[in-house]
Amino acid sequence: AQSVTQLGSHVSVSEGALVLLRCNYSSSVPPYLFWYVQYPNQGLQLLLKYTSAATLVKGINGFEAEFKKSETSFHLTKPSAHMSDAAEYFCAVSENTGNQFYFGTGTSLTVIP
Amino acid sequence: EPEVTQTPSHQVTQMGQEVILRCVPISNHLYFYWYRQILGQKVEFLVSFYNNEISEKSEIFDDQFSVERPDGSNFTLKIRSTKLEDSAMYFCASGGQGGPYEQYFGPGTRLTVT
Repeated sequence: AQSVTQLGSHVSVSEGALVLLRCNYSSSVPPYLFWYVQYPNQGLQLLLKYTSAATLVKGINGFEAEFKKSETSFHLTKPSAHMSDAAEYFCAVSENTGNQFYFGTGTSLTVIP
Repeated sequence: EPEVTQTPSHQVTQMGQEVILRCVPISNHLYFYWYRQILGQKVEFLVSFYNNEISEKSEIFDDQFSVERPDGSNFTLKIRSTKLEDSAMYFCASGGQGGPYEQYFGPGTRLTVT
């Protein structure tokens, strides 16, 4: 069975500081991994995805994530936080094309001016 | 840029009533999904639909729920007799063409059952 754990339901960073949002997964097969962002009263927007190509994945808005098989992790980072990055971030895993996504519980990012 | 759309944005209904949530997936996508997010909780999978039939469903998706793709463009979720615990944000998603792995999500329909 697949599952996703996001450590830290709330993360606060200062504007310009490093953003690190953690995601660990469990999967019986090599997974596909995703990060989505949800702004207030909006849907889920894809930030980036890992689909068994390069382990360091670059996404939109300056975010990137690194797939580490040995640690079963897919942490999301951004070198310098902007106020506009304040949102809810969800990590998700899927085993195959067309299969359901399993989501983590989400991390709410606050950016302090 | 193509996007998934959902209507209505907010639906209020009384317990025991039937509701239909509507979605227009991105055209030429092959896979369609419904998820829900109860306030303050994580996004949960309900059902996936491919080739005009349900391909996967969760234990949440019981006999009270049904999905349909009536006309080749819309994708609907019907809840036959709503319960208080059905109150949630319902997201439609589509995928499988052009970008076969990711799922594109709509803005959601907030369902409130009173």
